[in-house]
Amino acid sequence: QSALTQPASVSGSLGQSITISCTGTSSDLGTYNYVSWYQQHPGKAPKLMIYDVSNRPSGVSNRFSGSKSGHTASLTISGLQAEDEADYYCSSYASRFSVFGGGTRLTVL
Amino acid sequence: EVQLVESGGGLVQPGRSLRLSCSVSGFNFDDYAMHWVRQVPGKGLEWVSGITWNSGTIDYADSVKGRFTVSRDTAKNSLYLQMNSLRAEDTALYYCAKDMRVMWELLLPVFDVWGQGTMVTVSS
Repeated sequence: QSALTQPASVSGSLGQSITISCTGTSSDLGTYNYVSWYQQHPGKAPKLMIYDVSNRPSGVSNRFSGSKSGHTASLTISGLQAEDEADYYCSSYASRFSVFGGGTRLTVL
Repeated sequence: EVQLVESGGGLVQPGRSLRLSCSVSGFNFDDYAMHWVRQVPGKGLEWVSGITWNSGTIDYADSVKGRFTVSRDTAKNSLYLQMNSLRAEDTALYYCAKDMRVMWELLLPVFDVWGQGTMVTVSS
């Protein structure tokens, strides 16, 4: 059950777009289209932002979008806002269980 | 309002046991898979265990398999995690999380509602 690989940190300026990558293997997101993304602010529980690679739950801004190519999934946030500053985690189904990425700290400049 | 409230955490010595509970409200508990996810303070998320809506599929992370047992009680609208043979590396904030899909047989990583967590500290 190896963790998915995410960059430790990314940054972007207000109004810009950023992309966070999440790399897995053929045992997880390379095979399954069950990739989710979570946002976590300090001291808070995670919040579901994207599921099944590119679907947004009700109430999540359309500034958040997801995609996948091969063994890499991506979360793109457009029109960066101050409140987007948080930790972001990807997750994938891996045949019986779920695996998370190590998390990416997004800093909004 | 959909709500998950964890309890049962605390300080426990290595090798001892602890039982976590997650009380749910605001949705039909019978219809959804439930999960436990943990997080060492300042670190990332780790999926621990999941149980489908009908308890037909139950699974565990390799790191806890054989030591932890997940269960659910529909009459009490509650999810449980029995943790035995606790180790220092089990120290974490334990979240209860609801699966988004209704009556799915797979334990998918789509957790649409989370509790606030209960802290477990394993130390002598």
